[in-house]
Amino acid sequence: KNEVEQSPQNLTAQEGEFITINCSYSVGISALHWLQQHPGGGIVSLFMLSSGKKKHGRLIATINIQEKHSSLHITASHPRDSAVYICAVRSNRDDKIIFGKGTRLHILP
Amino acid sequence: GAGVSQTPSNKVTEKGKYVELRCDPISGHTALYWYRQSLGQGLEFLIYFQGNSAPDKSGLPSDRFSAERTGGSVSTLTIQRTQQEDSAVYLCASSLLFPANTDTQYFGPGTRLTVL
Repeated sequence: KNEVEQSPQNLTAQEGEFITINCSYSVGISALHWLQQHPGGGIVSLFMLSSGKKKHGRLIATINIQEKHSSLHITASHPRDSAVYICAVRSNRDDKIIFGKGTRLHILP
Repeated sequence: GAGVSQTPSNKVTEKGKYVELRCDPISGHTALYWYRQSLGQGLEFLIYFQGNSAPDKSGLPSDRFSAERTGGSVSTLTIQRTQQEDSAVYLCASSLLFPANTDTQYFGPGTRLTVL
């Protein structure tokens, strides 16, 4: 079992739909990151969380430390949101970064 | 510079050769990270630097890999006796403050390494 699990692996939705991507982890962490990787390969950091909730535009990220779970939500989804979304955690034992396998999101116009 | 830069953007080499990948972090960023992404695979953590020091090198795939950082700025990742399984995109990221509990990592465009 991977230390960071994301679901779903793939998601196709219609423009305008509310999107939720989930991340569960099994290690102790000091921080959790949500990253976006576009088809061209470039990676952008969306959020870094250690507790609670953060919002940026149409993106919302939440984390529940007790349940070792985080969610990334996209409201009013748009085709330009199509990308791979990656969850990554920093282990509080050795500071290493552990990645999930990513969720491939495709928003249809 | 305005962002993290990496050179070269592409490198094709033959099996057994030596390669050197360079990362220029955002000026003033104290933490620097190296990652690898093989074709169709997820991201893999290799090593991080806090200043010029790498506290833990166990993420490097083998002893053919080494990395250094000088002057708290530029970092180089070197691979000796390259193998075909080393083919991947090598990504560098930097952040203002280590540990990055309060800061975000900024990623470079990556170096695509192909070992023939």
